[in-house]
Amino acid sequence: SQQGEEDPQALSIQEGENATMNCSYKTSINNLQWYRQNSGRGLVHLILIRSNEREKHSGRLRVTLDTSKKSSSLLITASRAADTASYFCATFGVNGNKLVFGAGTILRVKS
Amino acid sequence: GAGVSQSPSNKVTEKGKDVELRCDPISGHTALYWYRQSLGQGLEFLIYFQGNSAPDKSGLPSDRFSAERTGGSVSTLTIQRTQQEDSAVYLCASSLYGGGNTGELFFGEGSRLTVL
Repeated sequence: SQQGEEDPQALSIQEGENATMNCSYKTSINNLQWYRQNSGRGLVHLILIRSNEREKHSGRLRVTLDTSKKSSSLLITASRAADTASYFCATFGVNGNKLVFGAGTILRVKS
Repeated sequence: GAGVSQSPSNKVTEKGKDVELRCDPISGHTALYWYRQSLGQGLEFLIYFQGNSAPDKSGLPSDRFSAERTGGSVSTLTIQRTQQEDSAVYLCASSLYGGGNTGELFFGEGSRLTVL
């Protein structure tokens, strides 16, 4: 079963706008990760945030984590057409040994 | 190799046939994972290897599915007597460490299986 649930399922924005995707999960985690997937093939790791961290930045990406609400958000600033992809959050549970993925958010950036 | 390599990239088979999917992880990565992704869906966990052993095979859908890893490196996922519902992209990933130290996963490009 999937641990995380992304919201929204799909997002369409204009180039230059910011995109925000949310992820909720159910059990206590060790870390939470965000991945990007183009064209239904391999996933690429974007960022990892540990349970004792609240915010992390990487280039145009900003991730927040609220363990009390069991939620995370991914913000992509100044989006580009090349950011068009599916974005997945994945959680590594405290007592787990695998990453559990959500259903993903499909982002479309229009030029 | 530089990344995770999977073969074949595409496989079309007839219902009832057996298929083997291969994954060659990044050299030195101790953990290896198999996931399945159906069209437009998220990733479904299948099995996790730490070295050659599989501490977690809870995601294998039925006894038609099996996997092995030899030499702490290459892994093979075997699906016997394929069914149409087995059609999906099978993704392999590896990471430097597994278990409680799991960090970033590196994914291959996947093997797209179509069962007619």
